[in-house]
Amino acid sequence: DGGITQSPKYLFRKEGQNVTLSCEQNLNHDAMYWYRQDPGQGLRLIYYSQIVNDFQKGDIAEGYSVSREKKESFPLTVTSAQKNPTAFYLCASSIGLAFSNQPQHFGDGTRLSIL
Amino acid sequence: AQKITQTQPGMFVQEKEAVTLDCTYDTSDPSYGLFWYKQPSSGEMIFLIYQGSYDQQNATEGRYSLNFQKARKSANLVISASQLGDSAMYFCAMREGRDTDSGYALNFGKGTSLLVTP
Repeated sequence: DGGITQSPKYLFRKEGQNVTLSCEQNLNHDAMYWYRQDPGQGLRLIYYSQIVNDFQKGDIAEGYSVSREKKESFPLTVTSAQKNPTAFYLCASSIGLAFSNQPQHFGDGTRLSIL
Repeated sequence: AQKITQTQPGMFVQEKEAVTLDCTYDTSDPSYGLFWYKQPSSGEMIFLIYQGSYDQQNATEGRYSLNFQKARKSANLVISASQLGDSAMYFCAMREGRDTDSGYALNFGKGTSLLVTP
């Protein structure tokens, strides 16, 4: 079945440690996105990518980094510079490249906590 | 400024009753799309329904319908014949046609928690 796979489901980070969240899609979508969700809040955009080897900062990019070496993959690294990383992270994809009525498809999320 | 406002943090509805979840939006772009997503406690975001700014009729998808009032900039979700499995967080989101700064990412509201009781 086509979809988006995020791993791991739960992740713990120690002080000063970088951690990487995986996101893979087999929907053949061009655009991919990372969102952060805090309790009682909506989703906020961290990074997005509309094409391979290109990505752009979203509203809250500080302390995060991404790469887009393959169309299917858009991993997110939470660096030690992100002082409050505890949150639920959602990866999404869409046909992208233009405004459309197509929804974004989401993965099941990764819950990151500080040890 | 908040582009999507959901004023109801929590709602209760009895099983088999209808419920309306409110959403107002703010944009000066004539071309935009409005989406509703459901997020169960497990965390995944499930797409429910879409309404385009130029659509003449209100969108419907099974038990979900969208009460779109363009002049009031509101796009309320109506769930008919509520079921226990409808208990979840519901998010309204908007994509703007001129938004090239975020790759047409969605702007989300803070959500409404719906609890369906027997």
